Amino acid sequence: DAKTTQPTSMDCAEGRAANLPCNHSTISGNEYVYWYRQIHSQGPQYIIHGLKNNETNEMASLIITEDRKSSTLILPHATLRDTAVYYCIVKTSYDKVIFGPGTSLSVIP
Amino acid sequence: DTAVSQTPKYLVTQMGNDKSIKCEQNLGHDTMYWYKQDSKKFLKIMFSYNNKELIINETVPNRFSPKSPDKAHLNLHINSLELGDSAVYFCASSPVRGVAGELFFGEGSRLTVL
Repeated sequence: DAKTTQPTSMDCAEGRAANLPCNHSTISGNEYVYWYRQIHSQGPQYIIHGLKNNETNEMASLIITEDRKSSTLILPHATLRDTAVYYCIVKTSYDKVIFGPGTSLSVIP
Repeated sequence: DTAVSQTPKYLVTQMGNDKSIKCEQNLGHDTMYWYKQDSKKFLKIMFSYNNKELIINETVPNRFSPKSPDKAHLNLHINSLELGDSAVYFCASSPVRGVAGELFFGEGSRLTVL
C-alpha cells in the first residue's frame, strides 16, 4: 500500500523553481522521506532524504513540515534536463524501497 | 567507472528460452536488489541480497532465480521466458542495511520476449 500521495503531473517553466509536493500523513517517527527521480527510462537516481529537518544538497532542497505529514522537494532553477518522474518514498532504514507512480515533471522552455 | 553495471543492456529472445542478466557494483555495498519496470512504468522490487544472503523475495515466479556469487555481484536467471516477462530490469545496491542511505541503480536491461 502506498504511504505517499503525489500529483500525477506538473509543469514548470525553465529557470523557475519547481516545487513538488508529497503527502505522507501516516508517517511514523522512524521513517525517512526519500526522493528519487527517473529520467526517461534510465535507472532511478537518488536526490535527497530527510527525517525531521530540512535538507539541502547540490541537487535540491527538501522541506518537511513540522508535523512531518507532508514535504516539498524544491529544484531551485529547473532546467530541461530536470524533466523526469519524481518519486517520494517513506521508509525506515531497514525497509525496502517501494516506488509509487510518482509525479511526472515537465520543464517547459 | 560505472558504479552499478548491468549486462546486457538489451536482450531479445523467444518464449520458452532461458536467459541471464548480470549485475556488478564497485561501491563496496553490502546489499543488492533487482527491480522490474513493466510497460506501465511501475517499479517493483523483486529480490534483495545482503552480503550474499537472500533477504527479500517478493511474489516472483520460481522461474526467476537470483544468484549472488559474492557481495559485488547479483545475477538474475530467468527460465522458460514468457511474454509477460518483457520489461526493463534494474539492479541496485545500497550500503550497510539499516543505515539510512540511498540506492544506486544501474542503467537497466531491457528484455523483450517474442
